[in-house]
Amino acid sequence: ETGVTQTPRHLVMGMTNKKSLKCEQHLGHNAMYWYKQSAKKPLELMFVYSLEERVENNSVPSRFSPECPNSSHLFLHLHTLQPEDSALYLCASSQDREGTPNTQYFGPGTRLTVL
Amino acid sequence: AQKVTQAQTEISVVEKEDVTLDCVYETRDTTYYLFWYKQPPSGELVFLIRRNSFDEQNEISGRYSWNFQKSTSSFNFTITASQVVDSAVYFCALSTSGGGNKLTFGTGTQLKVEL
Repeated sequence: ETGVTQTPRHLVMGMTNKKSLKCEQHLGHNAMYWYKQSAKKPLELMFVYSLEERVENNSVPSRFSPECPNSSHLFLHLHTLQPEDSALYLCASSQDREGTPNTQYFGPGTRLTVL
Repeated sequence: AQKVTQAQTEISVVEKEDVTLDCVYETRDTTYYLFWYKQPPSGELVFLIRRNSFDEQNEISGRYSWNFQKSTSSFNFTITASQVVDSAVYFCALSTSGGGNKLTFGTGTQLKVEL
C-alpha cells in the first residue's frame, strides 16, 4: 500500500470554482505538509501541521485554506484561484520529534490547472 | 538562512555510463540533515537517502553512492552503470535542527538516460 496518497491526481478548475485536494498518510506519522511545485521553481512549502495543529503558514494567500481533521488526513481547500496557481501540489508526512528533522515521505501529487 | 544549489539543470547520458549529480549547500547551523529525492515523471518524490552533519562516511546502496564532504559543503550523488529507469528529476534538500522540519530544496537536476 502506498504510504501517502493524494486525490484527485489531476484537477482542472475555473477561477470561480471551489474544490478540495485530499491527502491521506498510512505511515502513522504525526506531521503533514503541503508543497507547491511550479515549473522552473524550487518546491515551496505552504503549510505544516504537527499533531493536527498548524505550525507553519508560509505567507500563502487566503484562497488556499488547509484543514487537518486528524493526523492521517490533510485537505487543501481552493477557492477563487488564479491561473498562476496552476502547479503540482504535493503532500508529505513525517514523524515529528522535537529538535530532529525527520524524513518526509511524499505523495504522488495533484496536478492543478486553473483556467 | 539555508540554501541548496544544484548547478546542473539537465544531464544526458547513455545507458551504462556513470553519472554524478552535484549538490552544494549553505547553512550556519552545525547540526543539519541532507537528503536526496528522486521525482520520476509520475510526480511523486521518492526518498533516497538522509545523512546528518556528523556522519561524513560515504554511503553505497546498490548502484547509488553518495559523497558527503563538509569541507566543500557538498553532498554529491553518483549513479553507476545508469539505466533508463534512472531518468527522473533529482532533488537535494537540507533541513536544520534549528529550522524545525522545514526542507530547503534545490532546483533539481533532470537526468535523461538514453539507450
